Amino acid sequence: NAGVMQNPRHLVRRRGQEARLRCSPMKGHSHVYWYRQLPEEGLKFMVYLQKENIIDESGMPKERFSAEFPKEGPSILRIQQVVRGDSAAYFCASSPVGGDVETQYFGPGTRLLVL
Amino acid sequence: AQSVTQPDIHITVSEGASLELRCNYSYGATPYLFWYVQSPGQGLQLLLKYFSGDTLVQGIKGFEAEFKRSQSSFNLRKPSVHWSDAAEYFCAVGDPGGGADGLTFGKGTHLIIQP
Repeated sequence: NAGVMQNPRHLVRRRGQEARLRCSPMKGHSHVYWYRQLPEEGLKFMVYLQKENIIDESGMPKERFSAEFPKEGPSILRIQQVVRGDSAAYFCASSPVGGDVETQYFGPGTRLLVL
Repeated sequence: AQSVTQPDIHITVSEGASLELRCNYSYGATPYLFWYVQSPGQGLQLLLKYFSGDTLVQGIKGFEAEFKRSQSSFNLRKPSVHWSDAAEYFCAVGDPGGGADGLTFGKGTHLIIQP
């Protein structure tokens, strides 16, 4: 069973460009979470999604950030008009339907660098 | 609001020595508790978790953690560390109310292993 997949692993953008980060959950998982990790910090929750639904976006910045988890395909975290402060590692986690829903399994992350 | 404190930013331990990493949490009831490990440039790997029951939890790689309700602590231990244990360790809490929220992480403890 493949783990949580994220791509790209590394992404470089210039200020003002858009960044798209993709996350494919583990097989059988329909809950996806996005976290941001700033240097020397722990992970901060951003958003929780199920297929076609945003359940909790309390950790998302109010502007420029959006997330989706379509019926088909990966979850996408989109950052418009990136700024240097967006440079961070972005992690996706997934958890299963029913069962051990409380345990989140993390992907390898996308390291975003904004020049 | 829930919070997690890992009081030690860095810990240095000699190879073969015992290890204890501290974690304290603030939460209205007993949360779900997790320890994750992150190697440089990698994602997070779940070491162990506590939901209920026996307060001493066994995890992978020889790690264990003990939940102490009276101290609001969930310290991670290992009797004899190996050089490969050098990594960043994160304690996290989850909301048992619905299992649908993001985890709250501590800032992490960087473990250094001396030969």
